Amino acid sequence: QQQVKQSPQSLIVQKGGISIINCAYENTAFDYFPWYQQFPGKGPALLIAIRPDVSEKKEGRFTISFNKSAKQFSLHIMDSQPGDSATYFCAASLGHKLSFGAGTTVTVRA
Amino acid sequence: EAGVAQSPRYKIIEKRQSVAFWCNPISGHATLYWYQQILGQGPKLLIQFQNNGVVDDSQLPKDRFSAERLKGVDSTLKIQPAKLEDSAVYLCASSLAGTATYEQYFGPGTRLTVT
Repeated sequence: QQQVKQSPQSLIVQKGGISIINCAYENTAFDYFPWYQQFPGKGPALLIAIRPDVSEKKEGRFTISFNKSAKQFSLHIMDSQPGDSATYFCAASLGHKLSFGAGTTVTVRA
Repeated sequence: EAGVAQSPRYKIIEKRQSVAFWCNPISGHATLYWYQQILGQGPKLLIQFQNNGVVDDSQLPKDRFSAERLKGVDSTLKIQPAKLEDSAVYLCASSLAGTATYEQYFGPGTRLTVT
């Protein structure tokens, strides 16, 4: 049972463009919604996280938008750079457990 | 600060063989996690330790998987006997006690191929 659904599976964006990744959840008890970045051969690394009582959080070129009523959240990567090419995972935490989305592979073309 | 160390990085075995993975968490991190990441999917928690005690092993296939963290530091995950569907990357993560669940630091993983 996948608790967090992520889309798209992959996307290609030009350098300088905006990458948008969407996630949806069902369990309203989730208490944090983090995003992770994973490069080939590496483990996921925490990028940014948001609480469900906040509608937006920005860190540098990365922004999470959170829509509690729709039970959706998204990651926006502004001014995408070739170094941003990676797989991005959304997740949701409940207690001690993290539930991950299936991942989105982002390719930034120079 | 050294990150989470895992070994081996790659392992190829035949089905029905056994295999063991090792993880050394970041120094001082009391919580240790083992995840299974199947190609094209997000990581799935197998087991969580707090020091040397098990917090959650509800998704660990206990008929073939076992894990231990005897001295509350490094940990081993064992599969015996392996099945084809065990082919995956096995990730170890650690975190400081008292921090948010999402504040985990992941190791590079061990890629297991079962033939």
